[in-house]
Amino acid sequence: KAGVTQTPRYLIKTRGQQVTLSCSPISGHRSVSWYQQTPGQGLQFLFEYFSETQRNKGNFPGRFSGRQFSNSRSEMNVSTLELGDSALYLCASSRGLAGQGPFYEQYFGPGTRLTVT
Amino acid sequence: DQQVKQNSPSLSVQEGRISILNCDYTNSMFDYFLWYKKYPAEGPTFLISISSIKDKNEDGRFTVFLNKSAKHLSLHIVPSQPGDSAVYFCAASSIGGTSYGKLTFGQGTILTVHP
Repeated sequence: KAGVTQTPRYLIKTRGQQVTLSCSPISGHRSVSWYQQTPGQGLQFLFEYFSETQRNKGNFPGRFSGRQFSNSRSEMNVSTLELGDSALYLCASSRGLAGQGPFYEQYFGPGTRLTVT
Repeated sequence: DQQVKQNSPSLSVQEGRISILNCDYTNSMFDYFLWYKKYPAEGPTFLISISSIKDKNEDGRFTVFLNKSAKHLSLHIVPSQPGDSAVYFCAASSIGGTSYGKLTFGQGTILTVHP
């Protein structure tokens, strides 16, 4: 079974630009969560999508947005990039069905390393 | 407000011995806990999980213990192998409601296993 894939793996952008990152979940997984990892803040939850609907959102500014397509693939977008947005962006997929713990186990992709200059 | 804490930034053990990684949490709403291993430049790899209705879960060399009254969990690796050297993250979740899809992570513990 193929794992979670993320593209691109590395990205360099300049301040003020916008960026779109892509994530393809494990086949059969309908939930995609996005996280930002930085040395200072660790792994921070951005948002989660299930069946094309955002069900949960972390404490990030509105410049961070996402969407999910009918095939469960997801994209996240960051507009007006700031230097502090430099981070490893990780997506994770799970079955996402309510009521049973194992369905909430998340499987991560390799991440996209974003550098903002 | 760090709801999941891993107080040991690093741990060093000899090959063949036991590695014990610890994690504390403050949010009593957490009812599902997971451990992940992470190598540099890779995403976290799921290792093992435990529901709050259990106090122990085993999978091969990995065992997770949960003490709900102390809000503490630990991961035991026996025997430790050099390939286990990585950063280990503890994560917690609340099933359903406004916590959909959200894992709250600790800061990680760097485990080094010496041959």
